[in-house]
Amino acid sequence: DAKTTQPPSMDCAEGRAANLPCNHSTISGNEYVYWYRQIHSQGPQYIIHGLKNNETNEMASLIITEDRKSSTLILPHATLRDTAVYYCIVRVGEWPGAQKLVFGQGTRLTINP
Amino acid sequence: DGGITQSPKYLFRKEGQNVTLSCEQNLNHDAMYWYRQDPGQGLRLIYYSQIVNDFQKGDIAEGYSVSREKKESFPLTVTSAQKNPTAFYLCASSRGRTPYNEQFFGPGTRLTVL
Repeated sequence: DAKTTQPPSMDCAEGRAANLPCNHSTISGNEYVYWYRQIHSQGPQYIIHGLKNNETNEMASLIITEDRKSSTLILPHATLRDTAVYYCIVRVGEWPGAQKLVFGQGTRLTINP
Repeated sequence: DGGITQSPKYLFRKEGQNVTLSCEQNLNHDAMYWYRQDPGQGLRLIYYSQIVNDFQKGDIAEGYSVSREKKESFPLTVTSAQKNPTAFYLCASSRGRTPYNEQFFGPGTRLTVL
């Protein structure tokens, strides 16, 4: 399984951009990078995913390096409600077979007022 | 509202008893999954099902069983053979018919075995 490496914790001031890094140096050419977050005692919430190109949606932006060995999730204007554990995940499995998301320990992001 | 429901939110059982956790989805998703989460850890896959009447073991299936008789439902039974059943259990679903495995998660069931 492709592994990801994330810092265990980060802090960010409210209203600033939060940039969460992720290393996935063993990613293969057809594997997507997914980001989820989990607020305490709730189910994880999907944020964004990408393959090669940078992606943006209403929640965040995903920047993937050209060699695909790392990525950064950007929350443009962090709010207190963005405090959560953020998981960077590489999808495992070949379609149409089984696909699973392998969750690491994630980054605990704390937004400070 | 479309979504995934899990019940109950909290569950207490005595050691040695089997217990079944409910998971229902009205998203018309083909694939459903069960994960387990221990304190301070990421999620680990227990079982998954891509279509009705079919399911496969995940990484930590020992001591668990599932069924998929209906598209909307994927109950998980924690048996007495599971050595450390106390954990947070999460159910998820996805469309399953595309290569984009965006999974939608339920609120979870926290199981405590006394």
